[in-house]
Amino acid sequence: AQSVTQLGSHVSVSEGALVLLRCNYSSSVPPYLFWYVQYPNQGLQLLLKYTTGATLVKGINGFEAEFKKSETSFHLTKPSAHMSDAAEYFCAVSVVTGNQFYFGTGTSLTVIP
Amino acid sequence: DTAVSQTPKYLVTQMGNDKSIKCEQNLGHDTMYWYKQDSKKFLKIMFSYNNKELIINETVPNRFSPKSPDKAHLNLHINSLELGDSAVYFCASSPSSGSYNEQFFGPGTRLTVL
Repeated sequence: AQSVTQLGSHVSVSEGALVLLRCNYSSSVPPYLFWYVQYPNQGLQLLLKYTTGATLVKGINGFEAEFKKSETSFHLTKPSAHMSDAAEYFCAVSVVTGNQFYFGTGTSLTVIP
Repeated sequence: DTAVSQTPKYLVTQMGNDKSIKCEQNLGHDTMYWYKQDSKKFLKIMFSYNNKELIINETVPNRFSPKSPDKAHLNLHINSLELGDSAVYFCASSPSSGSYNEQFFGPGTRLTVL
């Protein structure tokens, strides 16, 4: 079975500071990994995804994530936080042999001016 | 030009009532999903249809019944609503049922059962 753990349900950073949102997954087969963002009262929007190939994945709005198989991690980073980054972030995993996503419990990002 | 649309956006109703939520996608995708997001923001898949065929049916009360009249539409009907059904329901679609595919989400329907 697959699962996702997001460490830290709430993360606060100052504007301009590094954003680091943590995601660890559990999977017995090669995973596909996704990060989604949810702004207040909106649906989820894809930030980036890893399927195969390069382990450092760049997404929209300056975000990137690195797939580390040895650490079973897919942490999301952004060098400099903007006020507009304040939102809920979800990590999700799926696998080659499956057909559904398993979402983490989400991390709420607050950006302090 | 909304890719995945849901109606209504808000739904307030009494316990015991029956209600439906409609979802339409104009992306030409083959696969559609229903998710439930609870008050703690946890997302749980409920159903998935691929080309009008049910492929995922998670442990959901029988009071919830999906219906896909065509591959662009996936509706959710809920009978005998209960307080615990209060949540935000998201529809999503993807090009196919392959697990490498990104899912595109609708704006959500906030259901409040009084």
